[in-house]
Amino acid sequence: KQEVTQIPAALSVPEGENLVLNCSFTDSAIYNLQWFRQDPGKGLTSLLLIQSSQREQTSGRLNASLDKSSGRSTLYIAASQPGDSATYLCAVKRDTGRRALTFGSGTRLQVQP
Amino acid sequence: GAVVSQHPSRVICKSGTSVKIECRSLDFQATTMFWYRQFPKQSLMLMATSNEGSKATYEQGVEKDKFLINHASLTLSTLTVTSAHPEDSSFYICSAKRGVVETNSPLHFGNGTRLTVT
Repeated sequence: KQEVTQIPAALSVPEGENLVLNCSFTDSAIYNLQWFRQDPGKGLTSLLLIQSSQREQTSGRLNASLDKSSGRSTLYIAASQPGDSATYLCAVKRDTGRRALTFGSGTRLQVQP
Repeated sequence: GAVVSQHPSRVICKSGTSVKIECRSLDFQATTMFWYRQFPKQSLMLMATSNEGSKATYEQGVEKDKFLINHASLTLSTLTVTSAHPEDSSFYICSAKRGVVETNSPLHFGNGTRLTVT
């Protein structure tokens, strides 16, 4: 059974700092990995999707990497802003069978102005 | 703009009543929709997979008679929480998958429904 772990569970940083969020998964047989943002009481916003054959994806100040063989992904946020404060979730999709996502428990990020 | 619409966004109901939550794909056909549940400060847990025109597939530990799922059309899936109890209070969120063929397109999520059972 796939398990997804995110470290740290919570993070508070001053504005402008670069930061890294970590995600690990136990089963490397994944189809893709997706990073989401969730604001309190809200739904999910997809940030980046990395295919299993890819090593990284970039969007603006965000960069996500994937090391499938070691079961790890990181989300790098450059020059953090207070508006980045949210919970960040990573999720993996299996490469066979049922294609729902398995989510990590998230990292709650607070960027202090 | 949003491609998956979930309604209502918030609902408060009394114990013993039933609540229906709708999930609509707005501009694509969704043969498969997924229903998740999220407790405070926890991750999303898959409840069931809803397939258009067939019975839903429930995850282990999810009572199918309590959480009724109907996926009657290619753009609409509903989740009905029957005989709700306070412990059913949670955030419910759906996602929809375009088409049948597996692709690397992101799954689209609704904005969720906050259910409070008093």
